[in-house]
Amino acid sequence: QSVLTQPPSVSGAPGQRVTISCTGSSSNIGAGYDVHWYQQLPGTAPKLLIYGNSNRPSGVPDRFSGSKSGTSASLAITGLQAEDEADYYCQSYDSSLRGVFGGGTKLTVL
Amino acid sequence: QITLKESGPPLVKPTQTLTLTCTFSGFSLSTSGVGVGWIRQPPGKALEWLALVYWDDDKRYSPSLKTRLTITKDTSKNQVVLTMTNMDPVDTATYYCAHTVTLGSWYSDYWGQGTLVTVSS
Repeated sequence: QSVLTQPPSVSGAPGQRVTISCTGSSSNIGAGYDVHWYQQLPGTAPKLLIYGNSNRPSGVPDRFSGSKSGTSASLAITGLQAEDEADYYCQSYDSSLRGVFGGGTKLTVL
Repeated sequence: QITLKESGPPLVKPTQTLTLTCTFSGFSLSTSGVGVGWIRQPPGKALEWLALVYWDDDKRYSPSLKTRLTITKDTSKNQVVLTMTNMDPVDTATYYCAHTVTLGSWYSDYWGQGTLVTVSS
């Protein structure tokens, strides 16, 4: 069971906007630690998508955005494209001195 | 250009010790703020954070696996080694190493391709 909670799946039609939530606790997200997001395409290693709650690495389209509030964070994807179909994971740091991941969310583009 | 590559046995028997090596290039593990972490992913399941070694040789482990894990670094060889004792079939997973930023935040910006380890007799 993952420390951070994500919905198992979300879906949307091309062009639509979807959001993926990530809920933690007072020992991780709520303690002020940053949230980061990774995209994992089938059969590949995870790729950093958002770091420091809302920052995009070079090369990541601005269709992807992140936010954080309290003990939760969200990833938003606008203008959904077929190539966005992947698994998405949130990650943070925990007061127990370890990295923690969410259980992952499978995004299906209808 | 930062690259990492994991290497190790694809198959281990239950109770054996697994040794994985992460060989990297494009950065130095003696640079302040840099770490190398290990993350695993059982087939069809979520990512699980395992361990991290900091540039100053400080180390962090998953509390649930701490008694079985050891992470070490060899800065001169640009390698990080993870050992996991008493392997069990539930440890079957793809194991990734990753360059991790640890100053001000804690995230992995470069990942290896992963290596699949199967635990079976």
